[in-house]
Amino acid sequence: QKEVEQDPGPLSVPEGAIVSLNCTYSNSAFQYFMWYRQYSRKGPELLMYTYSSGNKEDGRFTAQVDKSSKYISLFIRDSQPSDSATYLCAMSGNFGNEKLTFGTGTRLTIIP
Amino acid sequence: ETGVTQTPRHLVMGMTNKKSLKCEQHLGHNAMYWYKQSAKKPLELMFVYSLEERVENNSVPSRFSPECPNSSHLFLHLHTLQPEDSALYLCASSQELALQETQYFGPGTRLLVL
Repeated sequence: QKEVEQDPGPLSVPEGAIVSLNCTYSNSAFQYFMWYRQYSRKGPELLMYTYSSGNKEDGRFTAQVDKSSKYISLFIRDSQPSDSATYLCAMSGNFGNEKLTFGTGTRLTIIP
Repeated sequence: ETGVTQTPRHLVMGMTNKKSLKCEQHLGHNAMYWYKQSAKKPLELMFVYSLEERVENNSVPSRFSPECPNSSHLFLHLHTLQPEDSALYLCASSQELALQETQYFGPGTRLLVL
């Protein structure tokens, strides 16, 4: 079993829809959870960062962490064509410079 | 130039060639990283440098040789690569070597080994 599971997609939704992206994980020691966005021919850029369980909102983006279910989500409201990208989840434990474990990424296309 | 830059952006090489990838960060960061990104696979951390000292080598084959001459530059020297090494190689940097530090990625070098 992979440490982090993420559906690679592709996922296509119409403009204005709510998008839900998800990752599951197996390591209960993970405490830090991140979402990166990667546009075509670019490197990943950090979108959201959460610690432990709960929700975090930033504009149209909401990150949720459910540690009891080992499940994290990224919601995008009022999706725009500019949101079309690959979304990577990443996570790590709580031990100083422990490395990030990434999901495979979900390729998202917003259809105008 | 701002952020993290990588050259070349694309590279095609034969299995007997020797080439080098270059990364430069203009952010004043102290930690730098090499990642490998293959299709339908998670990002794989290859090497980590902090203040020009290598602090992690994730069981990477010796045909990949990193070099960090100063805190702004990072190289990945390649020799006798295999076709399965074809991938996107990403460089990243962070202020310090700590998980809480955001990593900033370069655009990557798309490598094809023939």
